[in-house]
Amino acid sequence: DQQVKQNSPSLSVQEGRISILNCDYTNSMFDYFLWYKKYPAEGPTFLISISSIKDKNEDGRFTVFLNKSAKHLSLHIVPSQPGDSAVYFCAASLMDSNYQLIWGAGTKLIIKP
Amino acid sequence: DTEVTQTPKHLVMGMTNKKSLKCEQHMGHRAMYWYKQKAKKPPELMFVYSYEKLSINESVPSRFSPECPNSSLLNLHLHALQPEDSALYLCASSQPGQGAVGYTFGSGTRLTVV
Repeated sequence: DQQVKQNSPSLSVQEGRISILNCDYTNSMFDYFLWYKKYPAEGPTFLISISSIKDKNEDGRFTVFLNKSAKHLSLHIVPSQPGDSAVYFCAASLMDSNYQLIWGAGTKLIIKP
Repeated sequence: DTEVTQTPKHLVMGMTNKKSLKCEQHMGHRAMYWYKQKAKKPPELMFVYSYEKLSINESVPSRFSPECPNSSLLNLHLHALQPEDSALYLCASSQPGQGAVGYTFGSGTRLTVV
């Protein structure tokens, strides 16, 4: 049972425009949602997170929105830059499982010049 | 120091070899993890150490043997691996109870079993 889903395997966006990456989840008990960015042959890098009691968190060009009623979150990157081209993983965690991460399948973001 | 360092970066080993992967962090994190990642897949949890004790073993075959000598070091001993074990092996660390900040990952060891 896949508790965290990223239904878009890839996304192509023009440089300077907004990139929106989506993630859905099934477990309403998740405490945190996190976004990681991964370049080929490197480990994932933590980008931004949001607590389940919030609906928005912003850090520079990155904003994460959480819609608990729809069990949906999204990562907005604006403006998109060529260096943003990477695979983005959505993950969720539960305090009861000591914040062990449950991962989505990832979305490959391609920023076109 | 905000890094997790993994060595070696690349490893090619035969199916009868014994090798070890090493991971080191100096952030004072007390939870350390081994993940396996295949191409185009999310990281797959293998082992979790919390306060130097093995707390989670995700039904990993015994040919993978983890070791946590101290709070800064994590090893993964490999023996009699199969070609399907070829993957990127990632080490990560975190502070137990800090769910908002996520894990810090190393760059990984690219393992090829021939």
